[in-house]
Amino acid sequence: GDSVTQMEGPVTLSEEAFLTINCTYTATGYPSLFWYVQYPGEGLQLLLKATKADDKGSNKGFEATYRKETTSFHLEKGSVQVSDSAVYFCALSDQSGYSTLTFGKGTMLLVSP
Amino acid sequence: NAGVTQTPKFQVLKTGQSMTLQCAQDMNHNSMYWYRQDPGMGLRLIYYSASEGTTDKGEVPNGYNVSRLNKREFSLRLESAAPSQTSVYFCASFDSGGAETQYFGPGTRLLVL
Repeated sequence: GDSVTQMEGPVTLSEEAFLTINCTYTATGYPSLFWYVQYPGEGLQLLLKATKADDKGSNKGFEATYRKETTSFHLEKGSVQVSDSAVYFCALSDQSGYSTLTFGKGTMLLVSP
Repeated sequence: NAGVTQTPKFQVLKTGQSMTLQCAQDMNHNSMYWYRQDPGMGLRLIYYSASEGTTDKGEVPNGYNVSRLNKREFSLRLESAAPSQTSVYFCASFDSGGAETQYFGPGTRLLVL
């Protein structure tokens, strides 16, 4: 079945540091790929998405590129802020038409001033 | 628009008790989902409803039942709660006509003693 693997956390960075959170996937066909963010005590919010190979999703300074050849969708940000501290989930959407999501285990990001 | 709402926010149950988690969305979405979130496990799909009147099992359906009461509401029932069902439960709905992404509720934190 489909699966998503993302790097273990927590990732601890100083403000203005560069962020990479790795995500790789296994799926049949051509899934859509997502990054969701969960702030403390809240539900998940869509951060960005890509629906086909070589698409780049971007939002709030975060970027991720759909790499079919390496089955990856790594999340990057050039300069993190304290307010970016959260848990980040990589996910894929199956091709069944029901749009169920398969999530990675999540990566906690802690940014210190 | 309130988006996706869930009640209650927090609940404590004793083993063997039953309860129903409520979810409603006001975005006119056809598809709705229930997930559970456990530490180090990411989110796992319990049940989903592709449209009013239909429900299907996800990855971890055992011990749960669901009802798609109407297009707006999708409830999750625990008939006889077990400590293994201690988790945070998230409801989501899917926008197939616009953003093509899932929107999540704020979650219900359930503790089974």
